Amino acid sequence: DAGVTQSPTHLIKTRGQQVTLRCSPISGHKSVSWYQQVLGQGPQFIFQYYEKEERGRGNFPDRFSARQFPNYSSELNVNALLLGDSALYLCASSTRDRSSTDTQYFGPGTRLTVL
Amino acid sequence: AQSVTQLGSHVSVSEGALVLLRCNYSSSVPPYLFWYVQYPNQGLQLLLKYTSAATLVKGINGFEAEFKKSETSFHLTKPSAHMSDAAEYFCAVSETGGYQKVTFGIGTKLQVIP
Repeated sequence: DAGVTQSPTHLIKTRGQQVTLRCSPISGHKSVSWYQQVLGQGPQFIFQYYEKEERGRGNFPDRFSARQFPNYSSELNVNALLLGDSALYLCASSTRDRSSTDTQYFGPGTRLTVL
Repeated sequence: AQSVTQLGSHVSVSEGALVLLRCNYSSSVPPYLFWYVQYPNQGLQLLLKYTSAATLVKGINGFEAEFKKSETSFHLTKPSAHMSDAAEYFCAVSETGGYQKVTFGIGTKLQVIP
């Protein structure tokens, strides 16, 4: 079975630009979460979507937005890019939205570099 | 608010030696705890998770962790390190609050010396 897939793998943007990252969850998983991992730190929670609805949001500015499609794939959008947005963006999928015990399966990530 | 503290951002062990990676948690409710491993330029892979069923949890690749409520700890161990264990390890805590909120530690980079 295919795991979580993300595209693109690498991306280079300049300050002020906008970027869209994509994620396809494991088949049968309805929940998608997004994390930002800055170099040298652990992943930071950005969003969780379940059944196309936003269920949770971390401490990120409104420049960050996301959506989930009927096939449960998801996009993360970041507007007005700043240098500090340079990071590895990870997508994770799980079967349910509220269960603390559910395992989140991570994709390989998208490496975003903002120049 | 939940949090995890990983003691030691870098740990070096000799091949064949015991691996011990430390994690302490803080949570207002009974926690669910995870250890993930990240190899260079890859995503995170689950090693093991504690969900209150048993305090000693066995995971993949010979790793295990013991939940100690009195010490608020969930340390990761492996009896004998292998070169392929060199990676970054993240401890994480999860609690519900309307959604699955997972908080990660800063990570511990494990170096295995031949």
